[in-house]
Amino acid sequence: NAGVMQNPRHLVRRRGQEARLRCSPMKGHSHVYWYRQLPEEGLKFMVYLQKENIIDESGMPKERFSAEFPKEGPSILRIQQVVRGDSAAYFCASSEGSNEQFFGPGTRLTVL
Amino acid sequence: GENVEQHPSTLSVQEGDSAVIKCTYSDSASNYFPWYKQELGKRPQLIIDIRSNVGEKKDQRIAVTLNKTAKHFSLHITETQPEDSAVYFCAATPKAGTASKLTFGTGTRLQVTL
Repeated sequence: NAGVMQNPRHLVRRRGQEARLRCSPMKGHSHVYWYRQLPEEGLKFMVYLQKENIIDESGMPKERFSAEFPKEGPSILRIQQVVRGDSAAYFCASSEGSNEQFFGPGTRLTVL
Repeated sequence: GENVEQHPSTLSVQEGDSAVIKCTYSDSASNYFPWYKQELGKRPQLIIDIRSNVGEKKDQRIAVTLNKTAKHFSLHITETQPEDSAVYFCAATPKAGTASKLTFGTGTRLQVTL
């Protein structure tokens, strides 16, 4: 029973490039959440998706960031034209529709 | 929106002693409060949670208490062990029983010394 999967685990990008982070929820879970964690800080909510729908994107920056959760395949968090301030750990969590959220191992993005 | 404050930011205890971490929240509609443990470089792991219809919940050495009137909840770890050393996050959400975003506290770094 695999848990939440994220890849890549580490991603290095130069300023101006695009970053794509993938998240596969636990089996049976159709709700996905993305959180960002800056070094030595807490987790900040970004976006909540349910298959093919964005439910809550109140934590997403207005520009350069987008997320999707297609009918088939993983959820994708996309960051265009990355800047150094985007360097962080990005965690995905999933749930089956209840409150309990289970986290993936995270993707650590470094922008050079 | 919801705001969750967490104290202390760091906590050092001797092995065998108890540790208490406190959180306050601002949204009186919040009614689900989980606690996560995050070891260095690892994912946050749910260790215990409580819903607003309960004042206290215990699971072996870990307990959580909730005071809805005062809008605060606490994590209690008894008989601490070195493997309890980690960063602990509290969180809150206004929708108990249904999927919704979590608002996290800023974390407490717990160090259990021998």
